Amino acid sequence: KQEVTQIPAALSVPEGENLVLNCSFTDSAIYNLQWFRQDPGKGLTSLLLIQSSQREQTSGRLNASLDKSSGRSTLYIAASQPGDSATYLCAVRNYGQNFVFGPGTRLSVLP
Amino acid sequence: GAVVSQHPSWVICKSGTSVKIECRSLDFQATTMFWYRQFPKQSLMLMATSNEGSKATYEQGVEKDKFLINHASLTLSTLTVTSAHPEDSSFYICSARDFRTSGRPDEQFFGPGTRLTVL
Repeated sequence: KQEVTQIPAALSVPEGENLVLNCSFTDSAIYNLQWFRQDPGKGLTSLLLIQSSQREQTSGRLNASLDKSSGRSTLYIAASQPGDSATYLCAVRNYGQNFVFGPGTRLSVLP
Repeated sequence: GAVVSQHPSWVICKSGTSVKIECRSLDFQATTMFWYRQFPKQSLMLMATSNEGSKATYEQGVEKDKFLINHASLTLSTLTVTSAHPEDSSFYICSARDFRTSGRPDEQFFGPGTRLTVL
């Protein structure tokens, strides 16, 4: 059974810092992995989707990498801004299965 | 594109009543829709998967007679919480996937969620 963990659980940084959020999964035979952002009391916004054949995806200040063999993905946020404050969720999908979500990392970017 | 809406965004009801939550895909046809539940400070837990025109598949531990799911069209799925109790209070989020959309066939698009409070 796939299990997804995220480290750290919470992170507080000053504005402008580059930061890395980590996601680990136990079953490396994944189909794809998706990073989401969730603002308090809101739904999910898709940030990046990485297929199993890909190593990374980039969108603006965000870069997500995938290392299937080690069961890890990282989300890199460059030049963080207060508007980046949210909970970041990693979700992993295996072949023929539905998404399994990690517990999330709560990010606070201080002005 | 790829917008999913939910209605209502929040609802408060008395214990014992039934509540219906709607999930719509606004600009694409959703062959598969998913219903999740999220308790405070916890991650999303999948409740059930519904395919248009067929019965929903429920995850282990989710009572299908309590959480009725109907996916009658390619743009609408409904979740009815029957005889709601305070422990059903949660944030319910739906998502949709369209296998037929070119370019992004594997992404799931999420609705904004519905906060249910049962008194």
